[in-house]
Amino acid sequence: RKEVEQDPGPFNVPEGATVAFNCTYSNSASQSFFWYRQDCRKEPKLLMSVYSSGNEDGRFTAQLNRASQYISLLIRDSKLSDSATYLCVVNSGDSWGKFQFGAGTQVVVTP
Amino acid sequence: DAGVTQSPTHLIKTRGQQVTLRCSPKSGHDTVSWYQQALGQGPQFIFQYYEEEERQRGNFPDRFSGHQFPNYSSELNVNALLLGDSALYLCASSLPAGSSTEAFFGQGTRLTVV
Repeated sequence: RKEVEQDPGPFNVPEGATVAFNCTYSNSASQSFFWYRQDCRKEPKLLMSVYSSGNEDGRFTAQLNRASQYISLLIRDSKLSDSATYLCVVNSGDSWGKFQFGAGTQVVVTP
Repeated sequence: DAGVTQSPTHLIKTRGQQVTLRCSPKSGHDTVSWYQQALGQGPQFIFQYYEEEERQRGNFPDRFSGHQFPNYSSELNVNALLLGDSALYLCASSLPAGSSTEAFFGQGTRLTVV
Protein backbone atom coordinates (compact mmCIF):
# COMPACT_ATOMS: atom_id res chain seq x y z
CA ARG A 1 0.00 0.00 0.00
CA LYS A 2 1.29 3.46 -0.89
CA GLU A 3 2.00 5.78 2.04
CA VAL A 4 -0.06 8.58 0.51
CA GLU A 5 -2.89 7.86 -1.90
CA GLN A 6 -4.97 10.20 -4.02
CA ASP A 7 -7.67 9.86 -6.64
CA PRO A 8 -5.82 10.80 -9.83
CA GLY A 9 -8.91 12.33 -11.44
CA PRO A 10 -9.26 14.22 -13.62
CA PHE A 11 -12.02 16.14 -11.92
CA ASN A 12 -13.72 18.18 -14.63
CA VAL A 13 -15.34 21.16 -12.94
CA PRO A 14 -17.47 23.91 -14.49
CA GLU A 15 -16.24 27.39 -13.72
CA GLY A 16 -17.89 28.63 -10.54
CA ALA A 17 -18.64 25.18 -9.17
CA THR A 18 -17.25 23.51 -6.06
CA VAL A 19 -14.92 20.53 -6.13
CA ALA A 20 -13.56 18.45 -3.29
CA PHE A 21 -11.20 15.53 -3.08
CA ASN A 22 -9.41 13.51 -0.45
CA CYS A 23 -6.05 12.02 0.28
CA THR A 24 -5.38 9.09 2.61
CA TYR A 25 -2.14 8.40 4.44
CA SER A 26 -0.92 5.23 6.08
CA ASN A 27 1.50 6.46 8.74
CA SER A 28 -0.49 7.29 11.86
CA ALA A 29 2.56 9.07 13.29
CA SER A 30 2.47 11.68 10.54
CA GLN A 31 2.65 15.16 11.98
CA SER A 32 2.34 17.73 9.23
CA PHE A 33 0.12 17.88 6.21
CA PHE A 34 0.13 20.10 3.17
CA TRP A 35 -1.52 20.64 -0.15
CA TYR A 36 0.79 21.62 -2.99
CA ARG A 37 -0.23 22.75 -6.42
CA GLN A 38 1.73 21.70 -9.47
CA ASP A 39 1.21 23.18 -12.91
CA CYS A 40 2.25 21.21 -15.96
CA ARG A 41 6.02 20.74 -16.10
CA LYS A 42 6.58 23.10 -13.18
CA GLU A 43 7.73 22.60 -9.62
CA PRO A 44 5.21 22.01 -6.82
CA LYS A 45 4.27 25.11 -4.86
CA LEU A 46 2.68 25.24 -1.45
CA LEU A 47 -1.03 25.90 -1.60
CA MET A 48 -1.76 25.58 2.09
CA SER A 49 -0.84 23.77 5.24
CA VAL A 50 -3.51 21.62 6.86
CA TYR A 51 -4.19 22.11 10.54
CA SER A 52 -5.98 19.80 12.93
CA SER A 53 -8.91 22.14 13.33
CA GLY A 54 -9.25 22.64 9.60
CA ASN A 55 -8.38 25.86 7.88
CA GLU A 56 -9.52 28.10 5.10
CA ASP A 57 -7.63 30.34 2.72
CA GLY A 58 -9.97 32.29 0.51
CA ARG A 59 -11.79 29.82 -1.72
CA PHE A 60 -9.77 26.87 -0.44
CA THR A 61 -10.68 24.82 2.63
CA ALA A 62 -8.55 22.00 4.02
CA GLN A 63 -9.63 19.44 6.59
CA LEU A 64 -7.73 16.79 8.54
CA ASN A 65 -9.28 13.64 9.94
CA ARG A 66 -6.67 11.89 12.05
CA ALA A 67 -8.96 9.06 13.10
CA SER A 68 -9.58 8.02 9.52
CA GLN A 69 -6.19 9.23 8.33
CA TYR A 70 -7.23 11.45 5.51
CA ILE A 71 -7.07 15.07 4.50
CA SER A 72 -9.34 16.88 2.12
CA LEU A 73 -9.27 19.95 -0.07
CA LEU A 74 -12.35 21.85 -1.17
CA ILE A 75 -12.26 24.56 -3.82
CA ARG A 76 -15.25 26.90 -4.01
CA ASP A 77 -16.19 29.14 -6.93
CA SER A 78 -13.64 27.42 -9.18
CA LYS A 79 -11.64 29.61 -11.55
CA LEU A 80 -10.04 28.58 -14.82
CA SER A 81 -6.71 29.30 -13.17
CA ASP A 82 -7.39 26.58 -10.59
CA SER A 83 -6.71 23.96 -13.27
CA ALA A 84 -3.66 22.08 -12.00
CA THR A 85 -2.56 18.94 -10.23
CA TYR A 86 -2.99 19.05 -6.48
CA LEU A 87 -0.45 17.07 -4.50
CA CYS A 88 -1.14 15.83 -1.02
CA VAL A 89 2.02 15.94 1.08
CA VAL A 90 2.55 14.31 4.44
CA ASN A 91 5.52 14.86 6.71
CA SER A 92 6.39 11.37 7.79
CA GLY A 93 6.75 12.25 11.44
CA ASP A 94 10.04 10.46 11.91
CA SER A 95 13.16 12.17 13.15
CA TRP A 96 14.06 13.79 9.91
CA GLY A 97 10.81 14.96 8.44
CA LYS A 98 10.63 13.10 5.16
CA PHE A 99 7.88 14.51 2.96
CA GLN A 100 5.78 11.86 1.24
CA PHE A 101 3.79 12.84 -1.82
CA GLY A 102 0.66 11.48 -3.31
CA ALA A 103 0.58 11.01 -7.07
CA GLY A 104 -1.67 14.03 -7.39
CA THR A 105 -5.28 14.83 -8.27
CA GLN A 106 -5.80 16.57 -11.57
CA VAL A 107 -8.43 19.30 -11.65
CA VAL A 108 -9.64 20.77 -14.93
CA VAL A 109 -11.90 23.80 -14.70
CA THR A 110 -13.92 24.38 -17.84
CA PRO A 111 -15.66 27.56 -19.05
CA ASP B 1 15.50 36.44 -0.99
CA ALA B 2 16.52 33.79 -3.46
CA GLY B 3 14.42 30.69 -3.37
CA VAL B 4 15.67 27.23 -4.19
CA THR B 5 17.76 27.19 -7.33
CA GLN B 6 18.69 24.18 -9.41
CA SER B 7 21.03 23.70 -12.30
CA PRO B 8 20.94 22.82 -15.05
CA THR B 9 17.29 23.19 -16.02
CA HIS B 10 17.47 20.64 -18.82
CA LEU B 11 19.93 17.89 -19.60
CA ILE B 12 20.23 15.15 -22.18
CA LYS B 13 22.50 12.20 -21.44
CA THR B 14 23.25 8.88 -23.05
CA ARG B 15 22.57 5.56 -21.38
CA GLY B 16 25.51 4.50 -19.21
CA GLN B 17 26.75 8.01 -18.61
CA GLN B 18 26.94 9.81 -15.29
CA VAL B 19 25.20 13.04 -14.34
CA THR B 20 25.51 15.61 -11.55
CA LEU B 21 22.64 17.91 -10.63
CA ARG B 22 23.03 20.88 -8.31
CA CYS B 23 20.81 22.64 -5.80
CA SER B 24 21.12 25.74 -3.63
CA PRO B 25 18.59 25.85 -0.82
CA LYS B 26 16.43 28.76 0.22
CA SER B 27 18.19 31.20 2.49
CA GLY B 28 18.00 30.03 6.10
CA HIS B 29 17.26 26.40 5.19
CA ASP B 30 19.80 23.73 6.04
CA THR B 31 18.01 20.55 4.99
CA VAL B 32 17.92 19.48 1.36
CA SER B 33 15.84 16.67 -0.08
CA TRP B 34 15.90 15.27 -3.59
CA TYR B 35 12.92 13.86 -5.44
CA GLN B 36 12.42 12.11 -8.75
CA GLN B 37 9.17 12.81 -10.59
CA ALA B 38 8.35 10.63 -13.55
CA LEU B 39 5.74 11.78 -16.04
CA GLY B 40 2.25 11.54 -14.54
CA GLN B 41 3.52 10.58 -11.09
CA GLY B 42 4.01 12.39 -7.83
CA PRO B 43 7.53 13.13 -6.64
CA GLN B 44 9.35 10.13 -5.15
CA PHE B 45 11.78 10.71 -2.30
CA ILE B 46 15.40 9.88 -3.14
CA PHE B 47 17.30 11.10 -0.07
CA GLN B 48 17.73 13.93 2.38
CA TYR B 49 20.84 15.75 3.57
CA TYR B 50 21.41 17.61 6.77
CA GLU B 51 24.73 18.69 8.27
CA GLU B 52 26.50 17.26 5.24
CA GLU B 53 25.22 13.77 5.94
CA GLU B 54 22.61 11.62 4.26
CA ARG B 55 19.95 11.32 6.92
CA GLN B 56 17.26 9.39 5.09
CA ARG B 57 17.03 7.47 1.89
CA GLY B 58 14.15 6.33 -0.24
CA ASN B 59 13.94 3.19 -2.32
CA PHE B 60 16.57 4.10 -4.90
CA PRO B 61 19.63 2.08 -5.93
CA ASP B 62 23.19 2.97 -5.00
CA ARG B 63 23.64 4.49 -8.45
CA PHE B 64 21.99 7.51 -6.87
CA SER B 65 24.32 9.33 -4.52
CA GLY B 66 24.59 12.80 -3.16
CA HIS B 67 26.55 15.30 -1.23
CA GLN B 68 25.91 18.38 0.85
CA PHE B 69 28.45 21.16 1.20
CA PRO B 70 29.14 23.39 4.22
CA ASN B 71 27.08 26.16 2.62
CA TYR B 72 24.11 23.71 2.54
CA SER B 73 24.07 23.39 -1.22
CA SER B 74 23.78 19.88 -2.53
CA GLU B 75 24.53 17.66 -5.48
CA LEU B 76 22.75 14.60 -6.79
CA ASN B 77 24.85 12.15 -8.78
CA VAL B 78 23.46 9.35 -10.88
CA ASN B 79 25.82 6.76 -12.34
CA ALA B 80 25.27 4.28 -15.15
CA LEU B 81 22.18 6.08 -16.40
CA LEU B 82 19.23 4.03 -17.56
CA LEU B 83 16.42 5.10 -19.85
CA GLY B 84 14.10 4.86 -16.83
CA ASP B 85 16.06 7.58 -15.05
CA SER B 86 14.48 10.11 -17.39
CA ALA B 87 12.42 12.36 -15.11
CA LEU B 88 12.11 15.74 -13.48
CA TYR B 89 14.49 15.90 -10.53
CA LEU B 90 13.33 18.24 -7.82
CA CYS B 91 15.30 19.65 -4.95
CA ALA B 92 13.45 20.81 -1.87
CA SER B 93 14.82 22.75 1.04
CA SER B 94 13.36 22.98 4.50
CA LEU B 95 14.17 23.56 8.10
CA PRO B 96 15.08 20.49 10.16
CA ALA B 97 12.37 18.14 11.34
CA GLY B 98 10.27 19.31 14.23
CA SER B 99 9.63 22.74 12.83
CA SER B 100 6.63 21.53 10.85
CA THR B 101 7.36 23.94 8.08
CA GLU B 102 6.73 23.27 4.47
CA ALA B 103 9.34 22.40 1.88
CA PHE B 104 10.19 24.81 -0.91
CA PHE B 105 11.03 23.43 -4.31
CA GLY B 106 13.38 24.48 -7.03
CA GLN B 107 12.19 24.57 -10.61
CA GLY B 108 13.69 21.17 -11.21
CA THR B 109 16.13 19.63 -13.65
CA ARG B 110 14.55 17.76 -16.50
CA LEU B 111 16.81 14.84 -17.34
CA THR B 112 16.35 12.91 -20.56
CA VAL B 113 18.34 9.72 -21.05
CA VAL B 114 18.60 8.50 -24.63
